[in-house]
Amino acid sequence: QVQLVQSGAEVKKPGASVKVSCKTSGYTFTTDDINWVRQATGQGLEWVGWVNPDSGHTGYAHKFQGRVTMTRNTSISTAYMELSSLKSEDTAVYFCARANYGGNSGLYFDSWGQGTLVTVSS
Amino acid sequence: DIQLTQSPSFLSASVGDRVTITCRASQGISSYLAWYQQKPGRAPKLLIYAASTLQSGVPSRFSGSGSGTEFTLTISSLQPEDFASYYCQQLNSYPLTFGGGTKVEIK
Repeated sequence: QVQLVQSGAEVKKPGASVKVSCKTSGYTFTTDDINWVRQATGQGLEWVGWVNPDSGHTGYAHKFQGRVTMTRNTSISTAYMELSSLKSEDTAVYFCARANYGGNSGLYFDSWGQGTLVTVSS
Repeated sequence: DIQLTQSPSFLSASVGDRVTITCRASQGISSYLAWYQQKPGRAPKLLIYAASTLQSGVPSRFSGSGSGTEFTLTISSLQPEDFASYYCQQLNSYPLTFGGGTKVEIK
């Protein structure tokens, strides 16, 4: 079965960077984009961006451009999200999700990682 | 960017009730809309994609409808395990966006 397993919780100081990993299994890693979504405590879901594991191409939400970098390592079927210049407002749970392309049905996020809590505090 | 407005943001209902959640898009998104359920401390779970296609394994009491700018998620008979938050998401164009969420609580 498809599984996405994320790295553990992180505590960072303002201005630092954090890199979260998402190890996949149960499917061919290069066939589907990996997206990242975050959620602050008690708040809604916010899309961060995507990485295409085959080409390495990426796309980011406007508010994160310049601060976020998404990469992948195909040899270990793992995607990464690095966020730099951290602020207290970046404190959130970060999820990775597989974007399945269903032909005429378009995209949908059918499998999710368990989430990684990133806390930014001085 | 495409804005998604969900209503209501909070809903109090009883077991067995029929529940409807609405999601309105700021511009047409064809049928490229998904619905997710999220319980506290858990990752979102896909319920519906392409506006009306039920994800495998999801109970048939969940259904979705709509196209263009107006969409609905209906739970035909609310069960105890359905008390959760629900989010719509548009996948028509980047940046992908989510609605603000609807929390369904026990009356």
